[in-house]
Formats: sequence, structure tokens, C-alpha cells
Amino acid sequence: QQQVKQSPQSLIVQKGGISIINCAYENTAFDYFPWYQQFPGKGPALLIAIRPDVSEKKEGRFTISFNKSAKQFSLHIMDSQPGDSATYFCAASKGGNLFFGTGTRLTVIP
Amino acid sequence: DVKVTQSSRYLVKRTGEKVFLECVQDMDHENMFWYRQDPGLGLRLIYFSYDVKMKEKGDIPEGYSVSREKKERFSLILESASTNQTSMYLCASRTGAITDTQYFGPGTRLTVL
Repeated sequence: QQQVKQSPQSLIVQKGGISIINCAYENTAFDYFPWYQQFPGKGPALLIAIRPDVSEKKEGRFTISFNKSAKQFSLHIMDSQPGDSATYFCAASKGGNLFFGTGTRLTVIP
Repeated sequence: DVKVTQSSRYLVKRTGEKVFLECVQDMDHENMFWYRQDPGLGLRLIYFSYDVKMKEKGDIPEGYSVSREKKERFSLILESASTNQTSMYLCASRTGAITDTQYFGPGTRLTVL
């Protein structure tokens, strides 16, 4: 079964808007939560990651919000740009192995 | 820059054929991984290797095997390809630190007819 649930499956956002992708997990043994970005024809690449001892991590326009008690985490992309159009995967790590969400295809329209 | 290369971008095989997918990394990484990516299912771990000649099953190892004879090379083998193995296959590598980043190759899109 899917250990990390991700929504929405697809997302269309206007340029300059905020993109929000949500993930949830059940296993409290997960200890590291990365987000990967994948462009067509490329492999996924690490975008940003967070550990469960912090509630938020920001890198430029990208922010992870983490709610340990709710077992949820989300990616916020501020001032979304057409170049952000890609598929985004959340993941959770246990013992160094990653469990991925099902992916969100983000389209940012000019 | 870390580079993970995969031997083919596209591959078409027939049911029952033995298929080899090759992955090479140039960063002296200890750990290597094979995933398959399917729409609506995300990435699922097939096998991984912590060191040369070592292998561990992931979530979906059935129908696959792997080989790691050299540190930089990790091969995925489909002993007898079936149509349900049509997928995108992604290789990744990482240092020995379990919280370090996994670096992915560009993927091989395999079609089994």
C-alpha cells in the first residue's frame, strides 16, 4: 500500500500564484522528508528536505511546512513561475530508504 | 557534479526475453538503487545495494534481479520480461550516509511487447 499519500494529482496555477502540494504518512519511524522535482525526460532531483524536529524550512521560493502531530507535510511554491512546471514528488525516509508519494504534475500558466 | 548514467533511454523487448539495464555513477557512491516509475504510483523501490556484491530487496523485487560487481555499476536484470514490466526504470546513487541525497539517472523507458 502507498506509505505516503500525495495530493493533488495535478495542479494548474497562474504565474505569480502560490502552489501547494500536500502529503501525509502513517509510519512514525520516518525520519527525513525530501521533495523531488522532475522535468520531462529527466530523473527526479532533490529540491528541498526537512527533518521532523523542525516545523518549517524555506529555500528561496520553496517552503516545506511540517506538522508532526498530524503526520502531514506540504510544499509551498511562492511566486510560481512557468519554469516551475514539473512533476513534484514528496518522499519519506526510513533507514535510508525512500518511500515516494504518487506525484503532482504542476503547470504554471503565464 | 554527480553523474548517474543509464545505458539506454528507450528499450523495446519481447515477452520472455532477458533484459539488462545498466547504471553507472561516477561519484564513488557506496549505495545504489533501482526504482520503477508508473503513472499514479510514483516511484517504487525494486532493489538496492549498499556495497559491491551486496543487494537487498525493495518493495517490488518479484521478476527482477540485480548485480553489483563493481562499485560504480549496478545492473537490473529482468530474467523473463513480461508486459507488466513495461515502465520507466530509474537508477539512483548515494553516499553511505543514509540521510544524504539520492542522485537519479535520466531513466530508461522499457516497453515489453
